[in-house]
Amino acid sequence: GAGVSQSPSNKVTEKGKDVELRCDPISGHTALYWYRQSLGQGLEFLIYFQGNSAPDKSGLPSDRFSAERTGGSVSTLTIQRTQQEDSAVYLCASRLLAGVTYNEQFFGPGTRLTVL
Amino acid sequence: GNSVTQMEGPVTLSEEAFLTINCTYTATGYPSLFWYVQYPGEGLQLLLKATKADDKGSNKGFEATYRKETTSFHLEKGSVQVSDSAVYFCALRNRDDKIIFGKGTRLHILP
Repeated sequence: GAGVSQSPSNKVTEKGKDVELRCDPISGHTALYWYRQSLGQGLEFLIYFQGNSAPDKSGLPSDRFSAERTGGSVSTLTIQRTQQEDSAVYLCASRLLAGVTYNEQFFGPGTRLTVL
Repeated sequence: GNSVTQMEGPVTLSEEAFLTINCTYTATGYPSLFWYVQYPGEGLQLLLKATKADDKGSNKGFEATYRKETTSFHLEKGSVQVSDSAVYFCALRNRDDKIIFGKGTRLHILP
């Protein structure tokens, strides 16, 4: 596929359970971003991976949230001990970084997480 | 820190009306500025961009001019269509490469 893909598309879980959300970026894209889209809150930056550099985790809302990116490609966002306020659409985006040349950020379709 | 403020919606207009969605930003240095659009049931996609002061981004009849003196990037369209109904997000990207979004403005166009 040519675009960013995410799985699952929908996830319903019970409060207190752990969840894993997956993102497959566009092949060759070195930058990967996770965002959270909550009703009335817009798009909230969570974490940013760029190549082999240490990720920018400044947007993660609590230590229950973590993410990794294996082999510079697929990324997994993990939420431990989910809470109802974690319910949101989680968006992944990737971007080809090439020096200072501008290039577009492409978004995946998102994973809708519902915590009951 | 970096932030983006855009007008709250929803904005409801009649078809062929003139549209302005205000966006202002706070940033150190000279960020790149973007408008993204999210149509109903679809993913987020880039609508237009501007990378330096006085640049004008345009696409699908929409325009926005990067105004450094007023730190603004207002989105405009001369004649909206029902198909323009969507949520519009203003965003900036600074040297740290993070993209910071506004909260979004929902636009409804009535036939």
